Amino acid sequence: EPEVTQTPSHQVTQMGQEVILRCVPISNHLYFYWYRQILGQKVEFLVSFYNNEISEKSEIFDDQFSVERPDGSNFTLKIRSTKLEDSAMYFCASNLVYEQYFGPGTRLTVT
Amino acid sequence: GQNIDQPTEMTATEGAIVQINCTYQTSGFNGLFWYQQHAGEAPTFLSYNVLDGLEEKGRFSSFLSRSKGYSYLLLKELQMKDSASYLCAVRDSNYQLIWGAGTKLIIKP
Repeated sequence: EPEVTQTPSHQVTQMGQEVILRCVPISNHLYFYWYRQILGQKVEFLVSFYNNEISEKSEIFDDQFSVERPDGSNFTLKIRSTKLEDSAMYFCASNLVYEQYFGPGTRLTVT
Repeated sequence: GQNIDQPTEMTATEGAIVQINCTYQTSGFNGLFWYQQHAGEAPTFLSYNVLDGLEEKGRFSSFLSRSKGYSYLLLKELQMKDSASYLCAVRDSNYQLIWGAGTKLIIKP
């Protein structure tokens, strides 16, 4: 069964550093998303991406964040200058119609 | 503002039935989703309702009343592996998924 994959599974970085989280969505899916979940808290929408551009973004998705689909398979989330409060689980998701399939997540720890 | 409410925690017995309620107030409505999330793992899709009524899928069913801003997830014949958090999420007018905080379901033998 096709699945969304994410790398790395765990990333530790120092405050102020740039990180890139990578995702490979399911190949025939058209819509891509990034979510984050701070430990013990609810899932929060960051951004949706369709047809090679951002379709929606939340208030969390400020100028420090960017997304890219550099080739036909990868979908990346970049955080330019990480803050302590960026520590969270970051999930990538994709869908064709309505059911979103989630990747296993990247646990980002900012120290 | 947008708000999704669900109980924080519920306990049920193996083999029994449990109903997890969700109420929502969102800017627009384009469907309601239920996801299951085991600790430390990604959410996995359980059900989708966009019209009023009951959707049944094996041991799991989901109900929606748009006029009441209300949904429930019904789990039958509970198994120990059903111990997880159950997340209610609503797709708003911008097609963003707005998530509830989740209901932690504890199954006891």
